[in-house]
Amino acid sequence: EAQVTQNPRYLITVTGKKLTVTCSQNMNHEYMSWYRQDPGLGLRQIYYSMNVEVTDKGDVPEGYKVSRKEKRNFPLILESPSPNQTSLYFCASSLRGNSYEQYFGPGTRLTVT
Amino acid sequence: KQEVTQIPAALSVPEGENLVLNCSFTDSAIYNLQWFRQDPGKGLTSLLLIQSSQREQTSGRLNASLDKSSGRSTLYIAASQPGDSATYLCAAPNSGGYQKVTFGTGTKLQVIP
Repeated sequence: EAQVTQNPRYLITVTGKKLTVTCSQNMNHEYMSWYRQDPGLGLRQIYYSMNVEVTDKGDVPEGYKVSRKEKRNFPLILESPSPNQTSLYFCASSLRGNSYEQYFGPGTRLTVT
Repeated sequence: KQEVTQIPAALSVPEGENLVLNCSFTDSAIYNLQWFRQDPGKGLTSLLLIQSSQREQTSGRLNASLDKSSGRSTLYIAASQPGDSATYLCAAPNSGGYQKVTFGTGTKLQVIP
């Protein structure tokens, strides 16, 4: 089954404790992206990747890191999480860039205390 | 920078009614526009991807149109059902060589039996 998977689905952590949210797709898509969703603000793009070793900032990249060492994986790294990063995070992929249909993962709900 | 607006933020209709959801965008140099559905606490499900050359795209009771010149897209839902209750989001890509995607804040639809 073609899908985008994220892990963990739920995470509660404390300020400053480094964490990684994994994202994997099995559709051989070149484009992958991370979003956060907050009430009243909608979905905002954090980072995206056009292909392996090619990443670029979205609209809200501060406090996040990403890497794309393999085509199928695109982890989101929070080196020193803060309470304002409490949010619902989504990973998405598309065949090739933002002009193609995007497929979303199920989301990761992160709480930073 | 692309800005996407969805009005109204919430809509309540009786079952069986036909309805139209609106999406406006500022950067008209887009290749496509995508409509999603999001159920509470869930991820995003792609409904329709309408290419700039198509003007309209249909899937079952859903019909999406795109008018680049006016910066508008509409999602038409025919014969609404309680199962259509969800938040509907539109997303438009940024142009100018930037592979970003901008989402609207969504319209929360409630279909009353």
